Amino acid sequence: EVQLVQSGAEVKKPGESLKISCKGTGYSFTTYWIAWVRQMPGKGLEWMGVIYPGDSDTRYTPSFEGQVTISADKSISTAYLQLSSLKASDTAMYYCARRAGAFDIWGQGTMVTVSS
Amino acid sequence: DIQMTQSPSSLSASVGDRVTITCRASQGISSYLAWYQQKPGKVPKLLISAASTLPSGVPSRFSGSGSGTDFTLTISSLQPEDVATYYCQKYNSAPHTFGQGTKLEIK
Repeated sequence: EVQLVQSGAEVKKPGESLKISCKGTGYSFTTYWIAWVRQMPGKGLEWMGVIYPGDSDTRYTPSFEGQVTISADKSISTAYLQLSSLKASDTAMYYCARRAGAFDIWGQGTMVTVSS
Repeated sequence: DIQMTQSPSSLSASVGDRVTITCRASQGISSYLAWYQQKPGKVPKLLISAASTLPSGVPSRFSGSGSGTDFTLTISSLQPEDVATYYCQKYNSAPHTFGQGTKLEIK
């Protein structure tokens, strides 16, 4: 079965950093882009960026560039989203998704709560 | 960057009604348009790709049309389980921007 399995929920304090993982199974991880999508509480889907695990080619949307880092380790079929200097406004659900044209497979989501 | 605008932002309809949601791209995107359904508290699910292609398992009451800048998602006969927020997305090139969403409720 094709799956993306994300790391578990996190509670962090302002100023801390965080790295969320997304492991792909059941398909050739290196031949599909992996995207990251943010959903703030009660809000819509925001495309953050995307990585091609085969060569780590990465693209970001301007509003997230410099604020987050997307990476991948193809040896373990895992993509990562790193958030630094966390603020309360980073509180959100973060999804990874496989790009097969459209986003056909989604991870279960990782809830990140930033609170002092 | 290309902006994606959905309308309406919310709508309420009765079971059995025909429901239409529109999505407009600020520039042409050919048919590189997807629709997603997100039920409350759930993960988004791909509903339509390439503007009109239903993945396996998606009920045939859902359909999509359009190309270029104007697209439509239609539910031919609304069912209670269709209560969700629907998003369009362009995926021809990065950024793969989503529309702001349309919240669909049962009247």
